Parts: sequence; structure tokens; C-alpha cells
Amino acid sequence: QLQLQESGPGLVKPSETLSLTCTVSGDSISSSSFFWGWIRQPPGKGLEWIGSLYHGRISGVGDTHYNPSLKSRVTMSGDTSKNQISLRFTSVTAADTAVYYCAGQLRGYSYAYVPPPHYWGQGILVTVSS
Amino acid sequence: DIVMTQTPLSLSVTPGQPASISCKSSQSLVHSDGKTYLYWYLQKPGQSPQLLLSEVSSRFSGVPDRISGSGSGTEFTLKISRVEAEDVATYYCMQGTRLPLTFGGGTKVEIK
Repeated sequence: QLQLQESGPGLVKPSETLSLTCTVSGDSISSSSFFWGWIRQPPGKGLEWIGSLYHGRISGVGDTHYNPSLKSRVTMSGDTSKNQISLRFTSVTAADTAVYYCAGQLRGYSYAYVPPPHYWGQGILVTVSS
Repeated sequence: DIVMTQTPLSLSVTPGQPASISCKSSQSLVHSDGKTYLYWYLQKPGQSPQLLLSEVSSRFSGVPDRISGSGSGTEFTLKISRVEAEDVATYYCMQGTRLPLTFGGGTKVEIK
């Protein structure tokens, strides 16, 4: 069973960079079976897709897709030695306060560009405040 | 971006009675490959979302058959044939036909 665990600071100051890590267990981030995504949820609000990363070895599969509204501030990457996916979010403001979820997106189902998030971490609350 | 609109915002249902949630998209969700990438999620209080349905009506592993999905084009419906206490949650639709992936605002289901 795939398990994902987010980690990082719970408090970030405005204008600083938020860095989060997702530790994956149960499969390799280099597995051809998954995309890896980040989704966030402001307190009491709905869900927003941040982006998805493919770290596998099937050629022709797009590597990274970002939400255009966030693309200028977001970078996702993978560390195979630690089996981790990272999210880097620059120039944060109070509007970036949210629970950030890491997700495994299973390629076994058909999809258009990226699979839907299937497996979710428990989420980490990040507050942006001075 | 494709805007997903869910109604109602909340729903109070007597146990054993049916419930229905509507999800409308601002554009057709039929992809050029002929498939419709509309998904439904459930988020129980204090928990992470769980995938219920893929491609409008295909149940994900472990989802009971009293939960079903239907619809086409821009209008979709999630139905719970007999609401149980474990169904208390917020339900979200999500489209994957075009990037960015976008979610509906959610429908909160409560038990009377």
C-alpha cells in the first residue's frame, strides 16, 4: 500500500520561500506507475491543484505540469536516493496559507494529461504570517 | 480554466434516504479521445480526500455500489442511494480533461 508523508515548516514569513517534502513508501518515486502531485486546501475552503511530476522512465510521458496560476512561483522535484518529492513555493503571502497535500497519481487508469490523485498524504498545515 | 460548479452547497439527509449532488462544468469535459475525465472525491472531517469515482461512473476500489455517478458533457451527478452515517463528508467533483485540474467548491452532506 502506497503511503505518503508531508513534512516541512508549519510557519513561513511573507515573501519567503516555502519548502515541503513528501516521503513516499510502498513504491519508488521512479516507478512508472505514478505521477506525484501537490494539492492545497485553504482552511475551510476547497481544493486547488498545484502541480504534478512524473519521475519514471517511460519516454514521452511529460515530466512536470504546473497550475498556470502558480507556475511562476512553484518548482517540483524528486530525490530518488531518499524516495522523496519536494515542493518549492517562492514569495509566499497570506493567501498561500493552506493544508498542503502530497498525492500519488496512479497511471493504471486512463487519463488525459495527468491522472487524478489516488493516494493522499495526511496533509501539512502551512501558515504564512509574520 | 474549466470552472466546476457544485450544487447544493450543503445537504441534510435522513439515514436510508437518497442524496444527489450536481456538478456542472464551464466547458464540455469530453476529451478528444472520446473519454470524459470527471472524478468524484469524498473528504471526511479532518481527513484527506478519497477518490470515489473515475471517468464519471467507475467506482474506485472499496467504494460501495450505493454510490453512483452519471452525466455527460457539462452536467454530472453523484447519487447515494441510501445515505448512511459513514457518508457524512464533503464531496468534490474534479475534472481532468484539460489542465489545470480543477475542483468544484464542494457539497457538505450531513445526517438529519
